[in-house]
Amino acid sequence: TQLLEQSPQFLSIQEGENLTVYCNSSSVFSSLQWYRQEPGEGPVLLVTVVTGGEVKKLKRLTFQFGDARKDSSLHITAAQPGDTGLYLCAGAVSSNTGKLIFGQGTTLQVKP
Amino acid sequence: DAGVTQSPTHLIKTRGQHVTLRCSPISGHKSVSWYQQVLGQGPQFIFQYYEKEERGRGNFPDRFSARQFPNYSSELNVNALLLGDSALYLCASSLLGTATDTQYFGPGTRLTVL
Repeated sequence: TQLLEQSPQFLSIQEGENLTVYCNSSSVFSSLQWYRQEPGEGPVLLVTVVTGGEVKKLKRLTFQFGDARKDSSLHITAAQPGDTGLYLCAGAVSSNTGKLIFGQGTTLQVKP
Repeated sequence: DAGVTQSPTHLIKTRGQHVTLRCSPISGHKSVSWYQQVLGQGPQFIFQYYEKEERGRGNFPDRFSARQFPNYSSELNVNALLLGDSALYLCASSLLGTATDTQYFGPGTRLTVL
């Protein structure tokens, strides 16, 4: 069974602080996607990483895919209250299907 | 352009009943996947359909079934509902349904089983 362990599960920080969310597995993934989900809504894609060692930046968010394509991290610089939400990592298990294995999510609260 | 749409938004059923959830993918997308998200957890894969054929199935009992229509819309059916089926059911569409293809999620259907 392929699992994605996401940590931490909860994070409450002050505006302006930096944070990192980790996503780890013993399995190799074809790609890894990060989503953000608001209460009562579906997940919204932030980024897809495909190549081992790949780093992608989206404004204050930096995403990294591990060299062995088993782990990933999301780093947020100078967090803002608008960053509050549930962050999910999801790994694609094979190149031929879109089946995603999701981590359990990180609930981020950024206080003003 | 319209995103992924799902209906109904909310649904309340009692144990033993059956339910049908509907999903319309983004125009031009040929793949639809279904996920179950229990409160406090990440979504779990139920089914993927591509060009009306089942491409993948998650670890769910046979009470769960799905199909995709010629217009690429999809239905998820759940029979003999259990309390544990209460969850947010998400539909995701993508162009080709491959691992590197971006998946777009709908707002979900909140199912409550009493």
